[in-house]
Amino acid sequence: GENVEQHPSTLSVQEGDSAVIKCTYSDSASNYFPWYKQELGKGPQLIIDIRSNVGEKKDQRIAVTLNKTAKHFSLHITETQPEDSAVYFCAASISGNYGQNFVFGPGTRLSVLP
Amino acid sequence: NAGVTQTPKFRILKIGQSMTLQCAQDMNHNYMYWYRQDPGMGLKLIYYSVGAGITDKGEVPNGYNVSRSTTEDFPLRLELAAPSQTSVYFCASSHSTGFGDEQYFGPGTRLTVT
Repeated sequence: GENVEQHPSTLSVQEGDSAVIKCTYSDSASNYFPWYKQELGKGPQLIIDIRSNVGEKKDQRIAVTLNKTAKHFSLHITETQPEDSAVYFCAASISGNYGQNFVFGPGTRLSVLP
Repeated sequence: NAGVTQTPKFRILKIGQSMTLQCAQDMNHNYMYWYRQDPGMGLKLIYYSVGAGITDKGEVPNGYNVSRSTTEDFPLRLELAAPSQTSVYFCASSHSTGFGDEQYFGPGTRLTVT
């Protein structure tokens, strides 16, 4: 089955610097890759996603890149701010009996230092 | 809209006890999911439902049961609780499983089995 690895497990950056989180997946049939942000004490929230027919997608300070050949995708956050501090999860789609489900990576705890 | 609500927020169970985790959504979503999140791990899918009366197993279904009698509610039942079920449980819902169809998560239930 699908396996999603995520690195690094923790990441500290200075405010204003960039942060990059990388994920790899194993199933070449995966075709949709969302990223979720989880703030302390809350459930995860979708921040950006990408389909397999797209190489890059941007939304303000956040971007995601996908390399289908190498089976890896990355989250890029520029001009980091203290409110970006959270745990970030990548996920890869898998086919279930009734549509798509997801396999999640183990998460990256991002700390933005003021 | 309240979104996805979960009760209780916290619960301590003794080994062998049973309990039901409640989940409700008011977005008229067809799809609902139960995940568990262990420390340092990503979300693992326990069960999901595609509509009233239709449920399917996820990656880690053993020790759990679900039912879906209404569109709004998707309770998760733990029978004979074991220490291995100590975790944070998240319920989520989505309109469908198409691309970009965001899963909305509840705030979670922290369960400890001792």
